[in-house]
Order: sequence, then structure tokens, then C-alpha cells
Amino acid sequence: QVQLVESGGGVVQPGSSLRLSCAASEFTFNIYAMNWVRQAPGKGLEWVAVISHDENNKYYAESVKGRFTTSRDNSKNMLYLQMDSLRAEDTAVYYCVRGFGGYKGYFDYWGQGTLVTVSS
Amino acid sequence: QSVLTQPPSVSAAPGQKVTISCSGSSSNIGNNYVSWYQQLPGTAPKLLIYDNNKRPSGIPDQFSGSKSGTSATLGITGLQTGDEADYYCGTWDSSLSAFVFGTGTKVTVL
Repeated sequence: QVQLVESGGGVVQPGSSLRLSCAASEFTFNIYAMNWVRQAPGKGLEWVAVISHDENNKYYAESVKGRFTTSRDNSKNMLYLQMDSLRAEDTAVYYCVRGFGGYKGYFDYWGQGTLVTVSS
Repeated sequence: QSVLTQPPSVSAAPGQKVTISCSGSSSNIGNNYVSWYQQLPGTAPKLLIYDNNKRPSGIPDQFSGSKSGTSATLGITGLQTGDEADYYCGTWDSSLSAFVFGTGTKVTVL
């Protein structure tokens, strides 16, 4: 049973940084692209970033480009999202999501999400 | 603003059928596969349809997907109260080099 468990969410002030982690298990992590998708309270889904299985390709939504960085450690089956210069509009539940079919593929497994609240 | 447009809501009586449209452009739906996701209240989204019309293991055949040109459609037959959820389409956008989701559609069983 594929498991994706996010951690690192919390309440932070505007302008600060936060790093989210996602622990993956029960599948061969190093052959899958991984994504971050977020959902602001009461709003729809917004794709944030994708990283290819070998880290050679990374893409970001325009709304986070230059502020967020995704990375992975295939030796530890871990995915990360470094979030800098946080804004109120970054407040959302952040999901770790497995991508099938490469970095352009669909999302077949989702974590339960971790809530990030940016507020003064 | 999402580049994929869905109706905000659709509704039907139990046992009936609903369809949800997803309208895009040649840079996204027109040249890439579409997937659909169901999000039940308070839960993480779940994959319903991938590669335009394929169902993952465990997804009943009451759910179907299709694509024509720059639009895609999700069909739900035999509507049940357990199908009340938000539904999202999604695909890669080659111009944006980004994955894009639809605006989302809330399904209500009357």
C-alpha cells in the first residue's frame, strides 16, 4: 500500500521560511516523479511543483517560482519543499503526490496533506 | 486563474447521470492526456480517470472519461449520495510547462 506522509506544516509569519517533508514508502520511490499540490481553505486545487525521478527536471507554478524549491533524497525516500518569502496567499493544505508517467503525468497517489498558515 | 474551465456545480437525482465538462486549449487538453480527480469532503483527492478515459483499479465503471479536441468530459452514471464531492480535471500545459487543474465542479445529489 503506497504511503505518502507529509510533515513540517505550521503557522508562520509573512516573509519567513518553512520546509515541508514527505516520507514515501511501499513503492520504488526513485523511479517516480513527485509533485506538490496545494489547496487554500475553501478553494480549488493548485499544482505547485514537480521533480523528476532523477532530479534532472523541476518545474514550478508561476505563483511560487523563485520562492519555493523542491528536492528529493532517493536514498531516504524523501521529498522536500523549501518555501521562502512566504505570503498570506500561500496559506493552504500542501499535498505530496506521486506522478505516474513522468513529470507530465497524472497523480495516482496523494498524501493526507499538511496545513501551512501564513499570518502575522 | 485556472486555464481549464469547469461548471461550478451540477446536480441530479439518485440513479441519474451527470456530465462535467472541462474546457482548455491546444497547449493543454488539445495535446496532452487528461486526468480526473474526486475529492470527498474533508479528504485528499483521489484519481478517477487517467489518460483521458482509463479507470484505475478499483474505480467502478459508473465513472467514464472522454476527450474531443480541447475539451474533456467526465460522466457519472447511477448517481449515489456517496458521489457528492468536488471533481477536478487536470493536464500538463506545454506552454506554461506546468500542470494545470480545472476550476472544480461540485456534484450534488438531489
